[in-house]
Amino acid sequence: SQELEQSPQSLIVQEGKNLTINCTSSKTLYGLYWYKQKYGEGLIFLMMLQKGGEEKSHEKITAKLDEKKQQSSLHITASQPSHAGIYLCGADMENDMRFGAGTRLTVKP
Amino acid sequence: GAVVSQHPSRVICKSGTSVKIECRSLDFQATTMFWYRQFPKQSLMLMATSNEGSKATYEQGVEKDKFLINHASLTLSTLTVTSAHPEDSSFYICSAGRLSNQPQHFGDGTRLSIL
Repeated sequence: SQELEQSPQSLIVQEGKNLTINCTSSKTLYGLYWYKQKYGEGLIFLMMLQKGGEEKSHEKITAKLDEKKQQSSLHITASQPSHAGIYLCGADMENDMRFGAGTRLTVKP
Repeated sequence: GAVVSQHPSRVICKSGTSVKIECRSLDFQATTMFWYRQFPKQSLMLMATSNEGSKATYEQGVEKDKFLINHASLTLSTLTVTSAHPEDSSFYICSAGRLSNQPQHFGDGTRLSIL
């Protein structure tokens, strides 16, 4: 089951443009994870956020978790074709793990 | 409703026991399924890719003799933790996708506790 609202569902951007993907929950998140899924492959871990207001960056990807720990965003700066794929947020909720529905990102050269 | 069913949701057993976890795609055929493991407060770790009708592909560091994967049909993959020990206690979760270019659907996970 999916209790995380992830948006947008699909995104097409021109190479070089910035983009943001959002992940929202009505419940407090104990841990928020961002993953990338390449077509036909398993998930690749990108970043983990645990503290309210936390922000992490890796290369051109930045993830933030709001102070209330209910919303996270993933921001890609100057997108490249290598960024294409499906991005998925996952969260620890008390005793369970839940996932967003995924965002399919296409980067046009 | 759920499109991937995982069973059981929770297992508590003694050390030395073998435990089988099932992952079923409910309304689609999945030639590929994925098995993950999550330790507390850590991210999912891909253990292996389960391929229908052929051997699973294991990630580096995952013992194939310890974690037996069988994908005998297009809707069922099983993960058997053989001779489980306390260090095998973890949260195991499977996923499957209708198509390779679509997001994976996840089972609800299995929390395994070895005493």
